[in-house]
Amino acid sequence: EAQVTQNPRYLITVTGKKLTVTCSQNMNHEYMSWYRQDPGLGLRQIYYSMNVEVTDKGDVPEGYKVSRKEKRNFPLILESPSPNQTSLYFCASSLIGGRAFFGQGTRLTVV
Amino acid sequence: AQTVTQSQPEMSVQEAETVTLSCTYDTSESDYYLFWYKQPPSRQMILVIRQEAYKQQNATENRFSVNFQKAAKSFSLKISDSQLGDAAMYFCAYRRPPMYSGGGADGLTFGKGTHLIIQP
Repeated sequence: EAQVTQNPRYLITVTGKKLTVTCSQNMNHEYMSWYRQDPGLGLRQIYYSMNVEVTDKGDVPEGYKVSRKEKRNFPLILESPSPNQTSLYFCASSLIGGRAFFGQGTRLTVV
Repeated sequence: AQTVTQSQPEMSVQEAETVTLSCTYDTSESDYYLFWYKQPPSRQMILVIRQEAYKQQNATENRFSVNFQKAAKSFSLKISDSQLGDAAMYFCAYRRPPMYSGGGADGLTFGKGTHLIIQP
C-alpha cells in the first residue's frame, strides 16, 4: 500500500530537549516536504527536498533542520524545541509535479 | 509570493443541501495547480479535487465540483447533497508548476481553512 508514515503520532517534550520526527515513503517519490498546521493559519511549509541530499527552506524554517540521506526518508529535527513549536506536523511526498501524499500527522507539544 | 485566501472561517449547511466554499488566490504565473483538501477530525489530509490552470473545464468528482475563474483568480468548491461525513475542515491550496532545474519549491501554499458543519 502506497503510504507516507510519520512517527511518532503524538509527542510531549520539554523545552530544549532535542527530538526527531521521522517520515518515510514507499512510493519512490523525489519530492518530500514538512508542514506545520496551526489554528487559524492553515498549513505552512517548513522545509522541502527535491531529491537525495537536496534540501531547502520553506516559509517557516526557523528552529528546524532536515536531512535527506536516502530517497525514502526525510526526518524533521528540532535541536532545541521551544513552546512556539507546539503544533501539528505533516510530512508529504510526491513525484515532481505530481499529487501530494500526506502522512497521518504528528501532534507535538513542547512544555 | 503566492497567497491563498479563504474568507469563510466557518460554514453551516443542512444535510442534503448544497454548499459553496470560496477561495481566491494571488499569483503572477499563468500555469499552476489548485486543490481542495478535506481534513476530518482524524486530521488526515484527503485530496478532494484538483484543477490544472491550463484546463478551462471545471473539475468534478462525484458530488464535488469547482468553479474555476482564472481571470478573477477564484476557485470555489461546491458540495452537492451534503452528507454528515462531509463535516470537516476544508483547505484550498495552490502549487506552482515544478521547476526541474535550479531548485524551486514544488510545495503547496494553503489557505487558512473553512470549517464545514453539516446540520442533520
